[in-house]
Amino acid sequence: GESVGLHLPTLSVQEGDNSIINCAYSNSASDYFIWYKQESGKGPQFIIDIRSNMDKRQGQRVTVLLNKTVKHLSLQIAATQPGDSAVYFCAENEGGKLIFGQGTELSVKP
Amino acid sequence: GAVVSQHPSWVICKSGTSVKIECRSLDFQATTMFWYRQFPKQSLMLMATSNEGSKATYEQGVEKDKFLINHASLTLSTLTVTSAHPEDSSFYICSASNIKGLGGTDTQYFGPGTRLTVL
Repeated sequence: GESVGLHLPTLSVQEGDNSIINCAYSNSASDYFIWYKQESGKGPQFIIDIRSNMDKRQGQRVTVLLNKTVKHLSLQIAATQPGDSAVYFCAENEGGKLIFGQGTELSVKP
Repeated sequence: GAVVSQHPSWVICKSGTSVKIECRSLDFQATTMFWYRQFPKQSLMLMATSNEGSKATYEQGVEKDKFLINHASLTLSTLTVTSAHPEDSSFYICSASNIKGLGGTDTQYFGPGTRLTVL
């Protein structure tokens, strides 16, 4: 579904801790999911993706988990750093179009 | 690789004027480009999908006569906001796609965005 809302959820973590950002998607037929990072005043930056035939994928310091049963996606960031502070969006691919989730603002405290 | 640029990065215009925003794929050919709009503290909303050499496909609720899209080449798409009004003030972001990613799905790479302010 489409994202609607005026207030971004916020996650505040201590530097060095692990962060978990969650996302619920709406279309059970979606077969491809992406996490993006967006810093203030910039375009989204690709972080990691996952197809529906997988339930976990790891990158450098990041892991994406997919639970198709409850239509839930999560992004785990290990050893969170101040440079990780940004808004994180999940997106689901629907017929070649990306439908973005609401977004979560991650704030890293030094 | 996979760099997308936008120009201008920001623009301020008077109400009633038209503004053109360019989106370029710098190191790959993009058969498809997408235009998004993002209001403060909100998510990206897809406005239209643009395929090279054909008419753009607009999302429901987006006025095609107000937001003119031209995709004349494999590396350039333009969005023209015609007769802009203050409510059109927003962050406009393009993305380009022609890269096979995981499992063959085309990956979208995003430009840096254009901040439009209409006075």
